[in-house]
This record gives sequence, C-alpha cells and structure tokens, in this order.
Amino acid sequence: QKEVEQDPGPLSVPEGAIVSLNCTYSNSAFQYFMWYRQYSRKGPELLMYTYSSGNKEDGRFTAQVDKSSKYISLFIRDSQPSDSATYLCAMSANQAGTALIFGKGTTLSVSS
Amino acid sequence: DAGVTQSPTHLIKTRGQQVTLRCSPKSGHDTVSWYQQALGQGPQFIFQYYEEEERQRGNFPDRFSGHQFPNYSSELNVNALLLGDSALYLCASSLARPYEQYFGPGTRLTVT
Repeated sequence: QKEVEQDPGPLSVPEGAIVSLNCTYSNSAFQYFMWYRQYSRKGPELLMYTYSSGNKEDGRFTAQVDKSSKYISLFIRDSQPSDSATYLCAMSANQAGTALIFGKGTTLSVSS
Repeated sequence: DAGVTQSPTHLIKTRGQQVTLRCSPKSGHDTVSWYQQALGQGPQFIFQYYEEEERQRGNFPDRFSGHQFPNYSSELNVNALLLGDSALYLCASSLARPYEQYFGPGTRLTVT
C-alpha cells in the first residue's frame, strides 16, 4: 500500500462547477497537508497547507483534513478554465526538514 | 523577489553518461530539496540539503549525489545514467518549515 493514494482522474467539469479532489494516506505521523497545482511542463505551485485536522479557506479554495479517517480534500468553488491543471496532495511529518510525500496527482479539466 | 531557478531547462544524455543539474533557492531560503517526477507520477523525494550537509535522503541509489554551496545553491549529480532516469527533476527551497517548500520550474532530463 502506497503512503499516499490519489485518484489520477482525469476529471472534467463545466465552468462554474464545484470540484472535489481527495487523497487518502496510511502514515499516522503526517501532520502537515499541502495542495499543489501543476500546469503542464511547469513546477508545482503551493496552493494551501493545513496543520493537523480542520478546514482552511482561501478564496475559492477550501482544504479539509480528517485525521481520524486519514482523508484530505480540496474543494474548488466556481471553477474556471484557468483551474485546468494537475492537483497534487503532499504530506509531511512534524519535523523540520522532513521530505514531502506526494500523491500521483489528479488531472482536472474545466471547460467553458 | 526571484523564485527558485533551475538550469538547464532541458537536457538530453546518453545511457552511461553523467549529468549535473543546478538550483538557486528563493531569496532568504536555506534548505534545498530535490525531487524526481516521472511522467504521470507525483514527485519523489531524492534528498535534502541544509547547511551544506545532506540532511535526509529518499530511496534513491548512490548514483544520485548532491552538493550545497555556502550561498545555499545546490547541484544534483547523476552518474551512470539509465533510461529510467528520464524525468523532470525539481528543486524546492524552504526555510526549515517542511510544509512551505517552493518549487522551481524543473529540468527535463531525457536519457537515450
């Protein structure tokens, strides 16, 4: 079993839809949970991070962490064609210098 | 404020050759991590440098080595290249907080 599981999609939605992206994980030591956006042939861009359990909102993006279920989510409201990209979840333990463990990424396409 | 920069952008090498990739961290950052991203996969952690020392290493063979200079820039060296080393190599910089790693655009290495 991989440490982080993420459905690769692809996921296709119309403009304005609410998008839900999810990851599950197996390592209880993970404390920090990140979402990165990666456009084709570019480096990943940090969107949001959450510490431990709970929700965090930033504009159209909401990140949720449920440590009891080892499940994290990213919601995108009012999706735009510019949101079309690959979304990567990443996790790390509560130690300085710990490596990020990534999911495979979910490819999202938002059509106008 | 310059972000993370990497050079070269693209590289084509032959099996058995050696390659050196370079990374300059975001201004003010002192920690550099390297990741390998195969096509359709999430980034995989290679190693991390802090204070010119390798602080943490992922599951990569000794053919992969690195260095960090006093100005915090870093190099990734790969010896005896294999076809399977073809990937996007990403450098990420941070300030010792594991959840705030900022990525460069990557170097795309093709081994023929």
